Amino acid sequence: QVQLQESGPGLVKPSETLSLTCTVSGGSVSSGSYYWSWIRQPPGKRLEWIGYIYYSGSTNYNPSLKSRVTISVDTSKNQFSLKLSSVTAADTAVYYCARLNPLTMDPFDYWGQGTLVTVSS
Amino acid sequence: DLQMTQSPSSLSASVGDRVTITCRASQSITNYLHWYQQKPGKAPKLLIYAASSLQSGVPSRFSGSGSGTDFTLTISNLQPEDFATYYCQQSYSTPRTFGQGTKVEIK
Repeated sequence: QVQLQESGPGLVKPSETLSLTCTVSGGSVSSGSYYWSWIRQPPGKRLEWIGYIYYSGSTNYNPSLKSRVTISVDTSKNQFSLKLSSVTAADTAVYYCARLNPLTMDPFDYWGQGTLVTVSS
Repeated sequence: DLQMTQSPSSLSASVGDRVTITCRASQSITNYLHWYQQKPGKAPKLLIYAASSLQSGVPSRFSGSGSGTDFTLTISNLQPEDFATYYCQQSYSTPRTFGQGTKVEIK
């Protein structure tokens, strides 16, 4: 059973960079069958897709965040990471990592439990 | 961006009821449509993928239908553990987008 777990600071100051890591167990980020994604949910709002990465390092980002987002993968640690720069209060959200499954028309089939990141001074 | 609109935004139902939630896409997405269940403080859980395929381990009282722009999620014989918020999501185009959610509450 694939499991994903987010980790990182729960509080980030405005204008700084948000950094989160997702550790995958029960599966490998090096598998060529899946993509590894970040999704967020601001309080009381709908889910927002941030982007995804393939084990090769190929990425696809939400255009609304593209100028501030970097997603990277570390196959040696079986992890992938998110960096979001120049954060504001609007970036306060629960951040989820998830597996995207292209074998079944690209749903997010496994999710981490989520981590709340608050942007505040 | 491709817009996903769910209706209703919330509904009240009783255990044993049949519940139907609708999701409409702003343009055709063929069957690149998925449904998730989210309970408070928890991550979303995939229920239905590709509009009508049941994810492994999901009870058969959940079903999905539709294609093009109009889709439905049906829960037959609503159970206490089904009270949650449900989201649709399209994977036809980038950026991937979600509906605003439908909260199913106890009547």
